Amino acid sequence: AQSVTQLGSHVSVSEGALVLLRCNYSSSVPPYLFWYVQYPNQGLQLLLKYTTGATLVKGINGFEAEFKKSETSFHLTKPSAHMSDAAEYFCAVSDRIFGNEKLTFGTGTRLTIIP
Amino acid sequence: KAGVTQTPRYLIKTRGQQVTLSCSPISGHRSVSWYQQTPGQGLQFLFEYFSETQRNKGNFPGRFSGRQFSNSRSEMNVSTLELGDSALYLCASSSNGNLNTEAFFGQGTRLTVV
Repeated sequence: AQSVTQLGSHVSVSEGALVLLRCNYSSSVPPYLFWYVQYPNQGLQLLLKYTTGATLVKGINGFEAEFKKSETSFHLTKPSAHMSDAAEYFCAVSDRIFGNEKLTFGTGTRLTIIP
Repeated sequence: KAGVTQTPRYLIKTRGQQVTLSCSPISGHRSVSWYQQTPGQGLQFLFEYFSETQRNKGNFPGRFSGRQFSNSRSEMNVSTLELGDSALYLCASSSNGNLNTEAFFGQGTRLTVV
């Protein structure tokens, strides 16, 4: 069974500082990996995804993540935090099985930006 | 291109009642998935429909059911509501249900059971 662990339910960073949100996964097969962002009273928006190919994935809003198979990690980073980045972030995993592509989410990390 | 539309946005129901939530996917998308989001359990997969067929189901009791129509619109139904069913219910659509393509989420329906 797949699972996702997000270390740190709350992370605070200063505006302009590096953002690092941690995600480790467990999957019996090479997974698809995703990061989503959720703003208050909104649905989920895809930031980036890893399916195959290059292990460093660039997403929207300046975010990127690196798939490290040996560490079973898919940490999310952004070089310089903006106030608008304050939101909840979810890491998710899916098996590469057609017809069974359901997402298994981590418990989320709430990112606070300090002015 | 219109996004995923979920109706209603907010709903208050009494224990024991039933409720139906609606999701209209992006035009042309054939796959619709439903997720329940609660503070305690986080985001959990309910089920996925593709071309009117339930293709995948999560670990929820039979009180939770769904269907998809020929125009890809989907409804989910919860019968005999319990307090613990209070949650944000999110629907996601994708073109073919393969996560190699992006899944787009609606804003959700917030259900409160009193």
